[in-house]
Amino acid sequence: QTVVTQEPSLTVSPGGTVTLTCASSTGAVTSDYYANWFQQKPGQAPRALIYTTSNRHSWTPARFSGSLLGGRAALTLSGVQPEDEADYYCLLMQSNAWVFGGGTKLTVL
Amino acid sequence: QVQLVHSGAEVKPPGASVRISCKASGYTFTSYYIHWVRQAPGQGLEWMGIIIPSGGSTNYPQKFQGRVTMTRDTSTSTVYMELSSLRSEDTAIYYCARELVGGHFDYWGQGTPVTVSS
Repeated sequence: QTVVTQEPSLTVSPGGTVTLTCASSTGAVTSDYYANWFQQKPGQAPRALIYTTSNRHSWTPARFSGSLLGGRAALTLSGVQPEDEADYYCLLMQSNAWVFGGGTKLTVL
Repeated sequence: QVQLVHSGAEVKPPGASVRISCKASGYTFTSYYIHWVRQAPGQGLEWMGIIIPSGGSTNYPQKFQGRVTMTRDTSTSTVYMELSSLRSEDTAIYYCARELVGGHFDYWGQGTPVTVSS
């Protein structure tokens, strides 16, 4: 059973930069894992932010960027805004199945 | 505009089955995959499986095999997810989400709350 691991919580100051990561128990995450990132605010459905590692949707603010970093998928927020406070989930494809990370609760303080 | 609209909330006793629908509009139904994802109260997201509307093929993770069935009706652009032998741990919000082949997830439905309680 593949496990995908994210930081449980992170705190960032408004205007700051923060990187969330997504690791796979099977080894280094590559572009073949088709990493996706989602944002979820309380009481709302998840919203897609990044697909296939680094591609932003038309609605995704430019301050969100996706990459591969040290064998993990990464989501970097630059110039964090108060409205970025939310839960963030990564999703990886592994062995013809998709697995979510446990989520990162991002606090903007 | 693209929309995925769920059926309404459900309350079921343990041991029963539930069938949830997700009606797609605003795009060519057979050109995108549909995934089902659930979220228990206060918990993270869990992938339940995929259906390919063009041919109806499905893929479920081992955890749900034998208990979940995903189907589609191309005449109404609707996908269905049926979960059987419900237990209290199945209490969750169930979402459908769209994927363009190649890992491009985009739109999500608003979710259907399911409560399993006697």
